[in-house]
Amino acid sequence: DVVMTQTPLSLPISLGDQASFSCRSSQSLLHSNGNTYLAWYLQKSGLSPQILIYRISNRFSGVPDRFSGSGSGTDFTLKISRVEPEDLGVYYCLQHTHLPNTFGAGTKLELK
Amino acid sequence: EVQLQQSGPEVGRPGSSVKISCKASGYTFTDYVMNWVKQSPGQGLEWIGWIDPEYGSTDYAEKFKKKATLTADTSSNTAYIQLSSLTSEDTATYFCALYSYWGQGTLVTVSS
Repeated sequence: DVVMTQTPLSLPISLGDQASFSCRSSQSLLHSNGNTYLAWYLQKSGLSPQILIYRISNRFSGVPDRFSGSGSGTDFTLKISRVEPEDLGVYYCLQHTHLPNTFGAGTKLELK
Repeated sequence: EVQLQQSGPEVGRPGSSVKISCKASGYTFTDYVMNWVKQSPGQGLEWIGWIDPEYGSTDYAEKFKKKATLTADTSSNTAYIQLSSLTSEDTATYFCALYSYWGQGTLVTVSS
């Protein structure tokens, strides 16, 4: 199975700061069709996860442009340019290039 | 608007089975695989498996192969997950999910 390693586990931050999340996979997520199926989700307390980014860098409909995704192969990053209160929660990466699909353990974004 | 409406909370006795439903609307049910994801209390997300509603084909993560059975009814646009031989380890919230849309989650509590 592909292991997804997210760092850090916790990210204490001040509102307005930039936040950066790392996700590394144990093998390349490049599919034979040329796509890389790496997505980012935010789960707020008590709610279902919501998609932010799909295929590394594509913002889902309605996602603010302060969110951006980058990376390739086995190394991926999600950035928030200026953290707002509604951004707090746990961020997960998911790979669905390979079966079984696998999630990272999550990074909790919280206030300092 | 895509919606995934899950059935309500379940309480199951140890050794019994429960079946959760996920009614899909707002898109063509047979166009996308339906994933199921487990979240144990206070923990991260685990991919259980998926079903292709058009063909009924399934794929499971190894640890869920004897625990979960995924089915789909194209006449009612509803996906199901049945969890068998319940133990305390199965107490969790279960989500159905397209990659971009998630159900609200169904809490399963295993208790005698």
